[in-house]
Amino acid sequence: NAGVTQTPKFQVLKTGQSMTLQCAQDMNHEYMSWYRQDPGMGLRLIHYSVGAGITDQGEVPNGYNVSRSTTEDFPLRLLSAAPSQTSVYFCASSWTTSGDTSEVDEQFFGPGTRLTVL
Amino acid sequence: AQKITQTQPGMFVQEKEAVTLDCTYDTSDQSYGLFWYKQPSSGEMIFLIYQGSYDEQNATEGRYSLNFQKARKSANLVISASQLGDSAMYFCAMREGLLNYGQNFVFGPGTRLSVLP
Repeated sequence: NAGVTQTPKFQVLKTGQSMTLQCAQDMNHEYMSWYRQDPGMGLRLIHYSVGAGITDQGEVPNGYNVSRSTTEDFPLRLLSAAPSQTSVYFCASSWTTSGDTSEVDEQFFGPGTRLTVL
Repeated sequence: AQKITQTQPGMFVQEKEAVTLDCTYDTSDQSYGLFWYKQPSSGEMIFLIYQGSYDEQNATEGRYSLNFQKARKSANLVISASQLGDSAMYFCAMREGLLNYGQNFVFGPGTRLSVLP
C-alpha cells in the first residue's frame, strides 16, 4: 500500500495563477480531507468528502475547490492564487467519520505540499 | 471558540526524563475521540495514540500514554524516557462522534518539544 500520496511536494506560483494539488489513497477510505498548516495555527480544514460525489466546505474554504469523482482521488484546486495561500497543504483520509468512537479510525496523512505564492 | 487548546507553545525536556504535553478540549458531544500526532522536522504527520470518550482506562502505546481526565476535559500526552528523536511538534486532535458530521476532526495549535542531550 502506498497510503496517501500527494503531488507535487513543492510548488511556487505567481499571484493569480491556478493549479491543482493532487491527492490519492489506496486504502478504500470513505473520508478524505484537505488541511492547510500555518505556523502557530495547527491544521485547518479546507474541504472534505465523505464519499465519491460528496464534498463540503471546512473551516477555510475560500479560494479553493474540490471534487471527488472516485473513491481514490481528491484533488484541490486553487482558482487564483494569492500570497495568503502560501502554506503547507496536507491531504488525509480515514475509513469513516461515524459516531462509533470505539474504533480508532485515525486520519492517515500524505507527505504534504509546500506552496509558495509570490 | 477553540475546541482544542494546547497552552505550551514550546517545551524542553532532558533526555531520559518524562514529559507531559497538555491538551484541553471543548465539546458537548458525549461520544468523541482524542488523538495525538507527532510532526518531526521532516514534516510528516505520525499518529501516536488514541483515547475514546467511553474508554475507562488511559490509553498506552509503548512510551506514550494519555492521561485522560474526562470531567476536566483534558487529554495530556505523557512521554516517558524521552529520546532525542522525540524532538518534534505534537498536535492534539479531537473527533466528535455525532455532532458536526464531516467537519468533526479538529486540531490544536501544537506544542514544540525539544529533547536536550
